[in-house]
Amino acid sequence: DAGVIQSPRHEVTEMGQEVTLRCKPISGHDYLFWYRQTMMRGLELLIYFNNNVPIDDSGMPEDRFSAKMPNASFSTLKIQPSEPRDSAVYFCASSSTTTPQEDTQYFGPGTRLTVL
Amino acid sequence: GEDVEQSLFLSVREGDSSVINCTYTDSSSTYLYWYKQEPGAGLQLLTYIFSNMDMKQDQRLTVLLNKKDKHLSLRIADTQTGDSAIYFCAPRGAGSYQLTFGKGTKLSVIP
Repeated sequence: DAGVIQSPRHEVTEMGQEVTLRCKPISGHDYLFWYRQTMMRGLELLIYFNNNVPIDDSGMPEDRFSAKMPNASFSTLKIQPSEPRDSAVYFCASSSTTTPQEDTQYFGPGTRLTVL
Repeated sequence: GEDVEQSLFLSVREGDSSVINCTYTDSSSTYLYWYKQEPGAGLQLLTYIFSNMDMKQDQRLTVLLNKKDKHLSLRIADTQTGDSAIYFCAPRGAGSYQLTFGKGTKLSVIP
């Protein structure tokens, strides 16, 4: 398997623009997680899905952030409008509840977002 | 919610053992994971321990769990320059699929 795939790997945009980050989880995984990593706050869970349904979005910072999972193989995280404080590395991770005793989360390479 | 604390930095000489420590607050944590992050990369699972275990060994890695003190440690034997990275401790609470990550410990290996 190719692992978790994220695109783009790097995104530079101007304040006020819409940004869409994309994730393809590992095939067969039924959980998908979006994280944000910054120097100040470390790794924060933003939202996670189970079988394409959002389960907990309490980590989403504000209404400018939205996430969707239209099918089992694709998810997006959208920021509209973007602000400089959104600059961070955004990770997607997936896991499978069919693997007993592990439920390990596998991470993608991340998208480094810079908002000018 | 869960709170996870780690030292931010650790420096060791090549060939020595490294010990990275972690404390957590949720006594119901079931699985406790260690992840490694190399510069510019995502997090890579290193190992994990189930809460009913005290120790787990996996080649150069040894994980120790003290449930009473809610203390987890990762020992890397014969540390190599390739082990230089940030190491994250991440407990998972009972009945949850969420992980809570510490801030990470940056391990620097001196040749």
